[in-house]
Amino acid sequence: GQQLNQSPQSMFIQEGEDVSMNCTSSSIFNTWLWYKQEPGEGPVLLIALYKAGELTSNGRLTAQFGITRKDSFLNISASIPSDVGIYFCAGRMNTGFQKLVFGTGTRLLVSP
Amino acid sequence: KAGVTQTPRYLIKTRGQQVTLSCSPISGHRSVSWYQQTPGQGLQFLFEYFSETQRNKGNFPGRFSGRQFSNSRSEMNVSTLELGDSALYLCASSPGQGNTGELFFGEGSRLTVL
Repeated sequence: GQQLNQSPQSMFIQEGEDVSMNCTSSSIFNTWLWYKQEPGEGPVLLIALYKAGELTSNGRLTAQFGITRKDSFLNISASIPSDVGIYFCAGRMNTGFQKLVFGTGTRLLVSP
Repeated sequence: KAGVTQTPRYLIKTRGQQVTLSCSPISGHRSVSWYQQTPGQGLQFLFEYFSETQRNKGNFPGRFSGRQFSNSRSEMNVSTLELGDSALYLCASSPGQGNTGELFFGEGSRLTVL
């Protein structure tokens, strides 16, 4: 099945550090979203982006919709232990109704 | 407001059997989507239902089917189970008006096929 290329695959950082991750696709998407999944839970929506070039923040999280509409970036500033989890990007095509194509995920570990 | 509820949370089946998973969406949500999550393939779209109609389907064999009831509750069925069907099956709901991609996921049903 189709998956978006997400990097890095995993990150182990110290509390207080900033984190950057990105997602690329060979296809154009009309919507980019970032989800976080913790063990035993389903993914939870963090940020949704609807326009090329859009930059949106949600607390310490900032995400951008790439100009080419084929990529997106997520930054987490001043990481804390509860940021631990797997972060997934997801893209939605214009004709896909609510169908999302997910990235391969970035596993984030934060050391106190 | 109650979240998306999936039952059962865990189940074990043997090859050749069939399984039915249930999903109750958030009250008022009319769209229900199903995803399969495995370590190898990640999160893969199975299908989406809106107002009892399947309006999108992923690339899965016909053994995977679903339906939605008038109260928006949904079920998915997998027949003739194979070992590779072992996965976490996630249900997600959304209001349905406006396709935003903003999905609310349940905790999933973890299926193990022996």
